[in-house]
Amino acid sequence: DVVMTQSPLSLPVTLGQPASISCRSSQGLVCVDGNTYLSWFQQRPGQSPRRLIYKVSNRDSGVPDRFSGSGSGTDFTLKISRVEAEDVGVYYCVQGSHWPGTFGGGTKVEIK
Amino acid sequence: EVQLEESGGGLVQPGGSLRLSCAASGFTFSSFSMTWVRQAPGKGLEWVANIKSDGSEKYYVDSVRGRFAISRDNTKNSVFLQMNSLRAEDTGFYYCARARGLDDWGQGTLVAVSP
Repeated sequence: DVVMTQSPLSLPVTLGQPASISCRSSQGLVCVDGNTYLSWFQQRPGQSPRRLIYKVSNRDSGVPDRFSGSGSGTDFTLKISRVEAEDVGVYYCVQGSHWPGTFGGGTKVEIK
Repeated sequence: EVQLEESGGGLVQPGGSLRLSCAASGFTFSSFSMTWVRQAPGKGLEWVANIKSDGSEKYYVDSVRGRFAISRDNTKNSVFLQMNSLRAEDTGFYYCARARGLDDWGQGTLVAVSP
């Protein structure tokens, strides 16, 4: 199975400052259909996961434009341009290109 | 509007069985693969199993292979997870999700495995 490695494990951020989360896969994520099924999810405390980004860099409807995804091959990044209080939670990358899919271990974003 | 509603969770003893169901609406169910994802208390997300749109291929995480079975009924817009030989470590919320990109999720159903 593909291993997804996220870093850092914990990310203390000052309000209004940028944040960046890295996700590395153990093999390339280009699917046979040509798509790269790499998504990012946010899970706020006590809530179900919510998808933010799909296919590396596409923002889901209703997701603020301060969230952006990038990357290719085996290295992917989620960036928050200016962290707000509502961004506190755990962020996961997940690949669906190779089955079974696999999640990263999560990055906990907290306010300093 | 896409809707996914899980059911069938509950308290079961170790070694017991449960069958989870996920009822789908708001999209052409037979065109999409479906996935079960779980989350143990205080832990991260884990992809459990998924099934292709026509049911022809199924995949499982190693920890459940041989004990869990995913299936679907495209005439009833539903996907199922038969869980046998349950263990304490299977405890958690179970979510069904649509498509390779996990486009939409249900609210989850809680499975608790305890004596």
